[in-house]
Amino acid sequence: GDSVTQMEGPVTLSEEAFLTINCTYTATGYPSLFWYVQYPGEGLQLLLKATKADDKGSNKGFEATYRKETTSFHLEKGSVQVSDSAVYFCALRVKAAGNKLTFGGGTRVLVKP
Amino acid sequence: DAGVIQSPRHEVTEMGQEVTLRCKLISGHNSLFWYRQTMMRGLELLIYFNNNVPIDDSGMPEDRFSAKMPNASFSTLKIQPSEPRDSAVYFCASSHGQQNTGELFFGEGSRLTVL
Repeated sequence: GDSVTQMEGPVTLSEEAFLTINCTYTATGYPSLFWYVQYPGEGLQLLLKATKADDKGSNKGFEATYRKETTSFHLEKGSVQVSDSAVYFCALRVKAAGNKLTFGGGTRVLVKP
Repeated sequence: DAGVIQSPRHEVTEMGQEVTLRCKLISGHNSLFWYRQTMMRGLELLIYFNNNVPIDDSGMPEDRFSAKMPNASFSTLKIQPSEPRDSAVYFCASSHGQQNTGELFFGEGSRLTVL
């Protein structure tokens, strides 16, 4: 079945540091890939997405590139802020499944001043 | 525009009691998802509906759980009887099925504690 694996957290880093969160997937079809973010006490919200190989999704300084050859969609940000402290979820959607998303386990990121 | 609205935000109950969680979809959305989030298991899809019809309920833990969509804009998730292991944050999410973008809009969640 479809699945998403992402690095376990927590990831603790200082402000202005470089952030990478690894995400790999397995899918029976040709998936779309997503990163969602969950701030404390809130629901998840879409951060960025990519729908085909080599697409790069970007938003709020975050980027992720759809790598079909390595089945990966790693999230990166060059200079994090305290306000980026949150839980980040990688997810995939196979078109045949409609809008049903399969999520990874989430990675908690803590940015210290 | 109002987002997905869930109630209650917090519920504390005793084992054996019935729990009903409620969700109001974003106007115009026709797909509805119930997720459960725990530290141990992460985010689990319980059930999802399309146009009020349950499409996939394979994630519903057991018969104690039931979900309904009495109309196009509202859903309930019921647990009867509740058990301590049901303690979790339950999220409702909606999407526009025809647009099929894969973007889900989540509510703020209902935190359930079963003592």
